Amino acid sequence: GQQLNQSPQSMFIQEGEDVSMNCTSSSIFNTWLWYKQEPGEGPVLLIALYKAGELTSNGRLTAQFGITRKDSFLNISASIPSDVGIYFCAGHTIPNTGNQFYFGTGTSLTVIP
Amino acid sequence: GAGVSQSPSNKVTEKGKDVELRCDPISGHTALYWYRQSLGQGLEFLIYFQGNSAPDKSGLPSDRFSAERTGGSVSTLTIQRTQQEDSAVYLCASSLAPIQGNEQFFGPGTRLTVL
Repeated sequence: GQQLNQSPQSMFIQEGEDVSMNCTSSSIFNTWLWYKQEPGEGPVLLIALYKAGELTSNGRLTAQFGITRKDSFLNISASIPSDVGIYFCAGHTIPNTGNQFYFGTGTSLTVIP
Repeated sequence: GAGVSQSPSNKVTEKGKDVELRCDPISGHTALYWYRQSLGQGLEFLIYFQGNSAPDKSGLPSDRFSAERTGGSVSTLTIQRTQQEDSAVYLCASSLAPIQGNEQFFGPGTRLTVL
């Protein structure tokens, strides 16, 4: 099936540093979603983006829906230890039939106190 | 309920046994999805339901895997004659109907271990 290219695969940063990760696709999406997954839990929705060019913030998190509708990025400012986890992007489309959500491969974030 | 729930949270079984995993979606969500996540890996799509029908079963890895959904709500994922490579976390998610909602909400997952 369709796959989103997410990078970087992993990040090790010092507490207080900013983080940036992105997702690209060969296909157009009408929604981009960013999730965080902590160990032993399901992914939790962080930010949803609905329009090309849209820039949305949620606390220290900021995400943008690329103008081409084929990419998105997530920034985390002033990282803290509880930011640790795996971050997934997801694109949503409305096909004639079938699955509508496609996920990136994840970015594993480690924050060093 | 308030969120997607799954049961059991953990399941340990012997190779060759059948297992059933259950998902209760958010009330009113007509779309339901099953994913598999192996240790340290991303999300592998298995099957998608719209109401009680499954327009996309393309992700089911073999004929040992099946899923059903009744009453447009609860879904069960069944794995027959389990193999060790079936060990993974099985995640369920739900969303509103395709036109209404573009956000998917996940349950906590069922961790399956096949010995």
